[in-house]
Amino acid sequence: AQSVTQPDIHITVSEGASLELRCNYSYGATPYLFWYVQSPGQGLQLLLKYFSGDTLVQGIKGFEAEFKRSQSSFNLRKPSVHWSDAAEYFCAVGSGGGADGLTFGKGTHLIIQP
Amino acid sequence: GAGVSQSPSNKVTEKGKDVELRCDPISGHTALYWYRQSLGQGLEFLIYFQGNSAPDKSGLPSDRFSAERTGGSVSTLTIQRTQQEDSAVYLCASSLRRTSGSTDTQYFGPGTRLTVL
Repeated sequence: AQSVTQPDIHITVSEGASLELRCNYSYGATPYLFWYVQSPGQGLQLLLKYFSGDTLVQGIKGFEAEFKRSQSSFNLRKPSVHWSDAAEYFCAVGSGGGADGLTFGKGTHLIIQP
Repeated sequence: GAGVSQSPSNKVTEKGKDVELRCDPISGHTALYWYRQSLGQGLEFLIYFQGNSAPDKSGLPSDRFSAERTGGSVSTLTIQRTQQEDSAVYLCASSLRRTSGSTDTQYFGPGTRLTVL
């Protein structure tokens, strides 16, 4: 069975500092990987996705993520965070080209310090 | 264009009552998904539809949960004889297609917050 681990429940970062959110997955075949963000009271918004090809993928809002097969990781990064980035971040893995039900990690709550 | 919409946004019910949650997918999206988000369990996949059929119901937690989709569009998730552990946010997502060998992206609605007293 596929699974996703986000080891950090909470992360606090100063505004303007760099950010890295960790994600490790377990999946037997080629994974389809996603990062979603959820602001309070909102649904999930897709930040970026990896299906194949270049292992460094760019997303919206200045985010990027790197797929590392040898480490079974798909960490999310941003060079300089803004206060508006405070939210819950979810990593997910899918099969069937991403068209099957996704398996999500427990999420990382990002707090931005002024 | 319009995104995925869900209604109601909030639902408070008494234990033992039945509830119906509605999802309107993005126009033209043939696949539709239901997830549940709770404090203890995180985000869990419940069921997905391709057109009006549900090939994968593996995530439904019990036989009190059922879902249907009509006309390849609107879907209803029904919970019978609600229990307090059913309290959660129920999220719906839709995607454009589901064909072998293709890739796909799910777009989520704002969710329905269900509280069972």
